[in-house]
Amino acid sequence: DAGVTQSPTHLIKTRGQQVTLRCSPISGHKSVSWYQQVLGQGPQFIFQYYEKEERGRGNFPDRFSARQFPNYSSELNVNALLLGDSALYLCASSLAPTSGSYNEQFFGPGTRLTVL
Amino acid sequence: AQSVSQHNHHVILSEAASLELGCNYSYGGTVNLFWYVQYPGQHLQLLLKYFSGDPLVKGIKGFEAEFIKSKFSFNLRKPSVQWSDTAEYFCAVNAWNNDMRFGAGTRLTVKP
Repeated sequence: DAGVTQSPTHLIKTRGQQVTLRCSPISGHKSVSWYQQVLGQGPQFIFQYYEKEERGRGNFPDRFSARQFPNYSSELNVNALLLGDSALYLCASSLAPTSGSYNEQFFGPGTRLTVL
Repeated sequence: AQSVSQHNHHVILSEAASLELGCNYSYGGTVNLFWYVQYPGQHLQLLLKYFSGDPLVKGIKGFEAEFIKSKFSFNLRKPSVQWSDTAEYFCAVNAWNNDMRFGAGTRLTVKP
């Protein structure tokens, strides 16, 4: 079975541009979460979606947005890119929302975003 | 909001040495606790998890962790490390709001 897939693998953008990152969850998983991992730090939670609805949001500015499609895949959009947005963006999928449940998250390989 | 602290930034051990990585969290309610590992060039993988029940949980590759509620701790242990355990280890806490918080990570280097 395929794991969580993310595209593209690498991306280079300039300040002020917009970027869209894509994630396909494991088959049967209905929840997708997005994380930002800056070099030398742990992943920081951005969003969680379940059944196309936002179920959790981390402390990120409104420049960050996401959505989930009927096939449970997801996109993360970042507008007006800043140098500080350079990071590895991770997608994780689970059967259902992770709070108070026995669902574990499975992570994809990430998209490396570089903002120049 | 919950937070996670990992005490060691970089740990260097020789093969066969015992390992203990510290993890403390701050959150007063019910939490789910995790340890993830990231081997060089690979993505995050789940080592073990605690949801409820026996506070001593066993994971893959001989790792275990003990949840001590009174100390808000979830330390990772392995009796005898191998060179292949060289990786970055992350402790994570998940509370009621789907907000999974990760620690900064501990880089483990095992010398052959």
